[in-house]
Amino acid sequence: EPEVTQTPSHQVTQMGQEVILRCVPISNHLYFYWYRQILGQKVEFLVSFYNNEISEKSEIFDDQFSVERPDGSNFTLKIRSTKLEDSAMYFCASNRDSDYEQYFGPGTRLTVT
Amino acid sequence: GQQLNQSPQSMFIQEGEDVSMNCTSSSIFNTWLWYKQDPGEGPVLLIALYKAGELTSNGRLTAQFGITRKDSFLNISASIPSDVGIYFCAGQSPPNSGNTPLVFGKGTRLSVIA
Repeated sequence: EPEVTQTPSHQVTQMGQEVILRCVPISNHLYFYWYRQILGQKVEFLVSFYNNEISEKSEIFDDQFSVERPDGSNFTLKIRSTKLEDSAMYFCASNRDSDYEQYFGPGTRLTVT
Repeated sequence: GQQLNQSPQSMFIQEGEDVSMNCTSSSIFNTWLWYKQDPGEGPVLLIALYKAGELTSNGRLTAQFGITRKDSFLNISASIPSDVGIYFCAGQSPPNSGNTPLVFGKGTRLSVIA
């Protein structure tokens, strides 16, 4: 069964460094998302992406964040200058055009020290 | 922003018992989704609901989309140890399209005692 994959599974970085989190959505899906989950809290929406552009973004998704689909399979989230409060699980999700069922990847645990 | 109130926050039940959890909102949703999350992993989709009043089953799981479109419940029958995890409700508000973001509840942590 096709699934969303994410790399790396765990990323440790120092405050102020740039990180890139990578995702490969399910191959026939058209809509892509990034969510984050701070430890012990609920999942929060960051950004949605369709047709090579951002569709919607939350207040969390400030100028330090950017997304890109550099080729036909990868979808990336970049944090330019990480802060301690960026430490969280980051989930990529995708869905087809024909329904709203979003499928999530296993997540990248980002630890900012 | 929109809030989903999910209850209970946690449950401890005996293996074999039935479980019920629910989500409510002050605003209407067009779609309700229920996910299960195991520690350190991503949410796994269990059931999707699209119409008010809809009742959908997936094995031992049953979920309903409330008539008012402001609530949903999830039932698990005859619980087993592998049901342990955190269950999240998630909704999409109108006018939802293919890429409307999900709003998540805070989760119900289920523990099953063998």
